[in-house]
Amino acid sequence: GDSVTQMEGPVTLSEEAFLTINCTYTATGYPSLFWYVQYPGEGLQLLLKATKADDKGSNKGFEATYRKETTSFHLEKGSVQVSDSAVYFCALRGNFNKFYFGSGTKLNVKP
Amino acid sequence: DSGVTQTPKHLITATGQRVTLRCSPRSGDLSVYWYQQSLDQGLQFLIQYYNGEERAKGNILERFSAQQFPDLHSELNLSSLELGDSALYFCASSALNQGITDTQYFGPGTRLTVL
Repeated sequence: GDSVTQMEGPVTLSEEAFLTINCTYTATGYPSLFWYVQYPGEGLQLLLKATKADDKGSNKGFEATYRKETTSFHLEKGSVQVSDSAVYFCALRGNFNKFYFGSGTKLNVKP
Repeated sequence: DSGVTQTPKHLITATGQRVTLRCSPRSGDLSVYWYQQSLDQGLQFLIQYYNGEERAKGNILERFSAQQFPDLHSELNLSSLELGDSALYFCASSALNQGITDTQYFGPGTRLTVL
């Protein structure tokens, strides 16, 4: 069945460091891919999305490219800030509108 | 603030009991989704409703049921509660059913503790 696998955390970086959080997926058909962010004590917020192969989603300096050949949707940011500290979830929407989330990666950014 | 509201914020109950969680979607959104977030199983999709009808089903137990009312609010009913049902339950809403621009907006969640 459909599934999402993302790198385990926590990831600890210094401010202005480069961020990569890996996400790979397994799906039949043509899923849409998403990154969500969850700040402490809050619900999930959509960060970015891509609906077809080679699409690049971007928002707030974060980017991810839908790579069908490697079934990946890695999240990147060139220079992280302390305010980026949160839990990041990779997700896919597969057949029959079902959503599958990765286990989440906690990011800690130190000043 | 996503515009999605959930009540109650916290719920503490005993094993074997039944509880109802409530969700009001963003104004104009027709779809409602329910998720369970626990430490051991991560974020799991439970069920989706669109304009009052069930549209997608995930890993929802038979002890759990949901419905969406004519005013589009939704309720998730959890019965015969077990310790393992302790989790954060999120509701999300979206405007469309399967449109490619479909974006889910999440509520703040209801934390359920089963003692």
